[in-house]
Amino acid sequence: EAGVAQSPRYKIIEKRQSVAFWCNPISGHATLYWYQQILGQGPKLLIQFQNNGVVDDSQLPKDRFSAERLKGVDSTLKIQPAKLEDSAVYLCASSPGRNQPQHFGDGTRLSIL
Amino acid sequence: GENVEQHPSTLSVQEGDSAVIKCTYSDSASNYFPWYKQELGKGPQLIIDIRSNVGEKKDQRIAVTLNKTAKHFSLHITETQPEDSAVYFCAGPMKTSYDKVIFGPGTSLSVIP
Repeated sequence: EAGVAQSPRYKIIEKRQSVAFWCNPISGHATLYWYQQILGQGPKLLIQFQNNGVVDDSQLPKDRFSAERLKGVDSTLKIQPAKLEDSAVYLCASSPGRNQPQHFGDGTRLSIL
Repeated sequence: GENVEQHPSTLSVQEGDSAVIKCTYSDSASNYFPWYKQELGKGPQLIIDIRSNVGEKKDQRIAVTLNKTAKHFSLHITETQPEDSAVYFCAGPMKTSYDKVIFGPGTSLSVIP
């Protein structure tokens, strides 16, 4: 089966600009996650969707980050405006359901100048 | 608060030796404990997981043991090979929800040929 697809792989922007990431989960996976991974650390959950509804966004900086999962399939994560501390790898993962193994994409590496 | 600790942070072993990584977590009713391997430039990949109704699970050279009383679970890799070199993350349960996990800070494993 095809894995989790993410694009772009790399993005370089200046602070205060906006950026968007796209994720296509494994077909049929109801649960979708966005993580932020800062260099040298473990992934940190930003938001979790169950189908097209938000289950948990408690760690999402809502003043600048937003995410949506239209039609319960693809998802986009947006940052506006970006700050220097947003430099990280943004990982998308999907799973068949809650409390099930997560399958990760290879992430988008974001650099803020 | 919610916390997952992982030890050691770095580990070097000779090829053929065994490696053990330990993860401890806060109190929770969750029953799912996964281990992920992350290679450079890639997303984390699930390598083994265990549920609380068993104390040990093996898959070829990899095993995971769970001690719910002491709130820790460990990854065991036997007969290590150079391709086992990577960063390994445990993911422990979040206190607030049975179906969400927090990733540990990671263990960088180097297998020396």
